[in-house]
Formats: sequence, structure tokens, C-alpha cells
Amino acid sequence: GAVVSQHPSRVICKSGTSVKIECRSLDFQATTMFWYRQFPKKSLMLMATSNEGSKATYEQGVEKDKFLINHASLTLSTLTVTSAHPEDSSFYICSALLDPGETQYFGPGTRLLVL
Amino acid sequence: DAKTTQPPSMDCAEGRAANLPCNHSTISGNEYVYWYRQIHSQGPQYIIHGLKNNETNEMASLIITEDRKSSTLILPHATLRDTAVYYCIVRVAKAAGNKLTFGGGTRVLVKP
Repeated sequence: GAVVSQHPSRVICKSGTSVKIECRSLDFQATTMFWYRQFPKKSLMLMATSNEGSKATYEQGVEKDKFLINHASLTLSTLTVTSAHPEDSSFYICSALLDPGETQYFGPGTRLLVL
Repeated sequence: DAKTTQPPSMDCAEGRAANLPCNHSTISGNEYVYWYRQIHSQGPQYIIHGLKNNETNEMASLIITEDRKSSTLILPHATLRDTAVYYCIVRVAKAAGNKLTFGGGTRVLVKP
């Protein structure tokens, strides 16, 4: 149980385009999901907390207009990287909180390469 | 959330028990100890968590000292597939935000 999927697993896009990444909790409902970013040989950095039916909460230094988060249902959160640039190339990982709120389960990650 | 200290790397022999230490000397009474691991190019995988008592599941055992200032994750019979970065995280369960803060972790290499 507690499976989280992400789509796509990897994406290559041109600079200036937008990319949407989906995060789904497959066998449980998640009121809260999280989005992380990981650069090579670095640890995971939390970008934002996504709450179903309300606005996301962004960590300091993360541009909310650049990284749009939508959590429209209890099983789906999306992250849209708008006007992507090469410096946005990274490994993006989501997690979903298994209610009643003790453990986060992570997706397999999405590798984004912006040319 | 309390900070943790882990050795940056360690080698383990295949088939032997792997003991991964974690220091969390500033842990608060309501903070849990969580362990995750991240195999190369994958998302982190939940392993186990505990508050005071030792815990065991199909993946590992978690031993927490009586004063809760340190803990040890035990992989009973390490396999090559256990090669990964292991993260020890302390946090208050069900707290506002439920955030996880990842440190550097321990890079574990299981050798044949």
C-alpha cells in the first residue's frame, strides 16, 4: 500500500516553455502533498506544501508564480514549471501524506531537462 | 524540528547486519525519529519510524536509546540492493505543515 506515482518520469523541453508534472496517490487519499527539488549530489529541498482545495504554501525563496501548484482532488497534485529555463533543470519529487498525518510516501521523481 | 547527525558514508558486507547510527541530541519529547532511504535516481522510500520504543518491520529495526538522543537503524541482512543514501529525520508527527527536512544522510555501499 501507500503508492505514489509521478508523470512523466522524465521530460526535455525548450527554454521558455511550460512543463506540467503530475503526482498521484494511487491507493490512498492525501489531503496534503509536498513538492521537492533535488540537484545532483545534493539532498532534497522542500519547495511547497500542497493542500487539497486551498492555495499551496511555498518555502522561502521559491517563486510561486514560476512553480504553479494545483491540488484539485484528494489523489492528484500538479506542479507546473512556467517559462522554464536551464537552471530549472532538476529532479522533482512529490510526496503524499498518509492521513491521519504521520508518514509521507514519495513518488519516483521526474527528471526535467531544459535546453 | 531537531537536527540530526549521521556519518557521511559507510560500507557494509553483503549478508551481514548493517547498523546505521544517528545522533539527535536536541530531540523534543513529541518528536518522532523517521528513516528514509533513496536509491540512486529514485524517490525516497519510507523505512520505519518510532517515538520511544524500539520498532521492527519487514525492512528494518529501529533502536532508540533510553534518553532518545540517538538511534540506530539496523538492516538485518544487507543485500546489494540496500545500497542507497539513508536519511534520519526527526519531526513532530501531525504537526502543522508535517514537513520533512532532509540532511546529508549516510551513503551506504553494500559490498559483495
